[in-house]
Amino acid sequence: EAQVTQNPRYLITVTGKKLTVTCSQNMNHEYMSWYRQDPGLGLRQIYYSMNVEVTDKGDVPEGYKVSRKEKRNFPLILESPSPNQTSLYFCASSSMSGAKNIQYFGAGTRLSVL
Amino acid sequence: QKEVEQDPGPLSVPEGAIVSLNCTYSNSAFQYFMWYRQYSRKGPELLMYTYSSGNKEDGRFTAQVDKSSKYISLFIRDSQPSDSATYLCAMKTGSARQLTFGSGTQLTVLP
Repeated sequence: EAQVTQNPRYLITVTGKKLTVTCSQNMNHEYMSWYRQDPGLGLRQIYYSMNVEVTDKGDVPEGYKVSRKEKRNFPLILESPSPNQTSLYFCASSSMSGAKNIQYFGAGTRLSVL
Repeated sequence: QKEVEQDPGPLSVPEGAIVSLNCTYSNSAFQYFMWYRQYSRKGPELLMYTYSSGNKEDGRFTAQVDKSSKYISLFIRDSQPSDSATYLCAMKTGSARQLTFGSGTQLTVLP
């Protein structure tokens, strides 16, 4: 089954404690992306990657890091989380072939930073 | 001003009603228009995809794009309780990979 898998689904942490949210896709997609979803603001892109070792900032990259060492994995790293990073996070992937860019989303990770 | 504006609702309708969901946008370079459906505690999933202006129909769903007015709509006919979800519009320019999303409209269809 084609899917994007995020872990963990729920996470409560404290300010300053480094954390990583993993994302893996089994569709051999080149493009992967991280979003955060906040009430009234919709989905905002944090970082994206167009292929292995190629990453770039989205609209709200401050406080986040990513890496793309393998095609299937695209972890999101919060080196020093702060309460304003409390949000619902989604990973997405899509194929780079064609213009459509239909993105497939994971089930989400709800993060609370105390 | 946001590039994409979407009324957040919430919108509550009786079963069988026709639902109209709308987005307006400011970037005239947008060419591809999408509607995603997001159930509670799930990720968004693509519902409809249209290119440029016109209508596209898929079962009970119709997506409409009016580029001259920078306005897109999603119509749901004979709405069902299973349609209860948040609906997000999204759009992109021709060459870009990045999508710009609306804030989403929460819809509840009452049995």
